[in-house]
Amino acid sequence: GQNIDQPTEMTATEGAIVQINCTYQTSGFNGLFWYQQHAGEAPTFLSYNVLDGLEEKGRFSSFLSRSKGYSYLLLKELQMKDSASYLCVADTDKLIFGTGTRLQVFP
Amino acid sequence: DAMVIQNPRYQVTQFGKPVTLSCSQTLNHNVMYWYQQKSSQAPKLLFHYYDKDFNNEADTPDNFQSRRPNTSFCFLDIRSPGLGDAAMYLCATSGAGGGTYNEQFFGPGTRLTVL
Repeated sequence: GQNIDQPTEMTATEGAIVQINCTYQTSGFNGLFWYQQHAGEAPTFLSYNVLDGLEEKGRFSSFLSRSKGYSYLLLKELQMKDSASYLCVADTDKLIFGTGTRLQVFP
Repeated sequence: DAMVIQNPRYQVTQFGKPVTLSCSQTLNHNVMYWYQQKSSQAPKLLFHYYDKDFNNEADTPDNFQSRRPNTSFCFLDIRSPGLGDAAMYLCATSGAGGGTYNEQFFGPGTRLTVL
C-alpha cells in the first residue's frame, strides 16, 4: 500500500529552527516533494529530493534517506509567514500526499 | 507570468444542481490534474489528462466528470452535487506524466459550497 506519515501539528517561535519529519511506504518511488500550503490557498513547491542527503535552499533544507523511507524539512530563522501546512509528497507513478503538518509560528 | 488559473475562486451551488469548475494554464504542460481537498486532509486525486488521454482514479465517483477540449483548458463537471462534495478543488499541471520529476503546479483552487 501507499502510506505517508507526518505529524499533524507543530508549534515554534519566531527565529527558531523546526524540523518536520516524514516517513513513507510506497510501491515505486522516484523522489520526494515538500509543498507549502497556506490556509485556503493552493500548495506551492518547496523542494524535491531524488538522491540521499541534504539539499539546502535559503532558510529551507530538505533531507532524504531512501533506504529508511524517511525525509525531513528543516526551516531556519522562522518567520510569522511560515505559519502554514507542509505537505510531504512521494513521487511514484502519481503523487502521494501526506495529510500535512500544520505549523504555527508564534512571536 | 505563466500560471494555472481557476475560475471561479468561490462557487456556491444547490444540492443536486450541476456545476462546472474551470481551469486554464499558460504553461503549455501536457498533463492536467483535478484534486479534491477537504478541510485538514490531503489533496485527493480525482483524475488526470495526459494530453487527451483521460485517466480516472478507481475511487472517483461517477458524479464527477471532466473535459479537456484543448491543451490550455480543463473542466470539472459535478453532475449532482451532494453535501459531501463541498471542498476545495485544485487544478494542477505538469510537464510530463509519471516518471521521474513530476513537479505539479497548482492553481489557486475553487472552494465549492453546496447548500
